[in-house]
Amino acid sequence: KAGVTQTPRYLIKTRGQQVTLSCSPISGHRSVSWYQQTPGQGLQFLFEYFSETQRNKGNFPGRFSGRQFSNSRSEMNVSTLELGDSALYLCASSLLTQETQYFGPGTRLLVL
Amino acid sequence: SQQGEEDPQALSIQEGENATMNCSYKTSINNLQWYRQNSGRGLVHLILIRSNEREKHSGRLRVTLDTSKKSSSLLITASRAADTASYFCATDGSGYSTLTFGKGTMLLVSP
Repeated sequence: KAGVTQTPRYLIKTRGQQVTLSCSPISGHRSVSWYQQTPGQGLQFLFEYFSETQRNKGNFPGRFSGRQFSNSRSEMNVSTLELGDSALYLCASSLLTQETQYFGPGTRLLVL
Repeated sequence: SQQGEEDPQALSIQEGENATMNCSYKTSINNLQWYRQNSGRGLVHLILIRSNEREKHSGRLRVTLDTSKKSSSLLITASRAADTASYFCATDGSGYSTLTFGKGTMLLVSP
């Protein structure tokens, strides 16, 4: 089975712009979670989708949003980018919540 | 705030030695997982231990779980240079909560 894929792998944006990141889960996985990783805050949970429904959301401002499509692919969007949004954004899929999560390689976002 | 906290923050050993990392958490869990991350890449799942298990082995990895102390340990035996990475514990909570990661232990294994 193909692993979790994330596109793009690297992204450079400027403050105020918006960005959309994409994640394709492992075939058959219905749960997709997103995490932000920074040197200061570590891995922080953004949100989790299961069968197109957002089931959990982390403590992030409303500028961070996401969605999941019927084929389980997921996108996350960050609007009005700030310098502090520079991070590695990781997507993970699993068969069910709370089970083993399989991570993609991440998208490294740099906001200038 | 982080649910899991790893200790130590950094660990440097020689090849062939054993490496032990600890994780403490705050609330009750259904399971606890350990992941490895190489150099800012995606995380790789190592092992999952359920709350009703006390010890689990996978190759050179041994994980213990003490739910009374809310702690877990990861032992890597006969370390290799390729084990150099950051190691994270991840815990879930009750209900549909997803995983919460600690800040990780950076392991350096020197040849």
